[in-house]
Amino acid sequence: EDKVVQSPLSLVVHEGDTVTLNCSYEVTNFRSLLWYKQEKKAPTFLFMLTSSGIEKKSGRLSSILDKKELFSILNITATQTGDSAVYLCAVYRVDSGGGADGLTFGKGTHLIIQP
Amino acid sequence: DGGITQSPKYLFRKEGQNVTLSCEQNLNHDAMYWYRQDPGQGLRLIYYSQIVNDFQKGDIAEGYSVSREKKESFPLTVTSAQKNPTAFYLCASSPGQGDEQYFGPGTRLTVT
Repeated sequence: EDKVVQSPLSLVVHEGDTVTLNCSYEVTNFRSLLWYKQEKKAPTFLFMLTSSGIEKKSGRLSSILDKKELFSILNITATQTGDSAVYLCAVYRVDSGGGADGLTFGKGTHLIIQP
Repeated sequence: DGGITQSPKYLFRKEGQNVTLSCEQNLNHDAMYWYRQDPGQGLRLIYYSQIVNDFQKGDIAEGYSVSREKKESFPLTVTSAQKNPTAFYLCASSPGQGDEQYFGPGTRLTVT
């Protein structure tokens, strides 16, 4: 059975700290891995990773994929209270037609940034 | 103003009734998806559609049905056969299969 496991499930840090969120996966026919931020309702897209070892970066957020060890990390530096959210990791599989089906999500990491 | 809309925001139904959740997008995306989210859980895939007039079951399709008669619309019906329908339902779309997905604001369904 395909699975995506995120750790930790919750994390509380102080403003200014650096955090690392983890995502490991066991998925048949892996295609790509995506990170989302969910604050109240709709998840918002952060990164899509398809190639191993290539870091994606956006401001204080960065992410990297290791396809050999089957995991990804999401780093947030100089955290701010606005970074408080649930961070979701998700994986696309290659479907029987060679395309992609829907995303398989992990349970998320609930990140709380204290002032 | 492009985006994905879901209606209604909150929905209350009695057990045994079917209910249809609306999802519309004006992003000209080919692919659309329905997910369910329960407290403390990630999203789980119900159905997805990569093209008009075609759709596939996801991981938890039992008790649900969909249609894709128009590119911009992908309604989800929660039938009385769904044993635990109370949940937060999210619709998403992507330009094509395997692309990043954009989510609507969600519908919170409560069945009593």
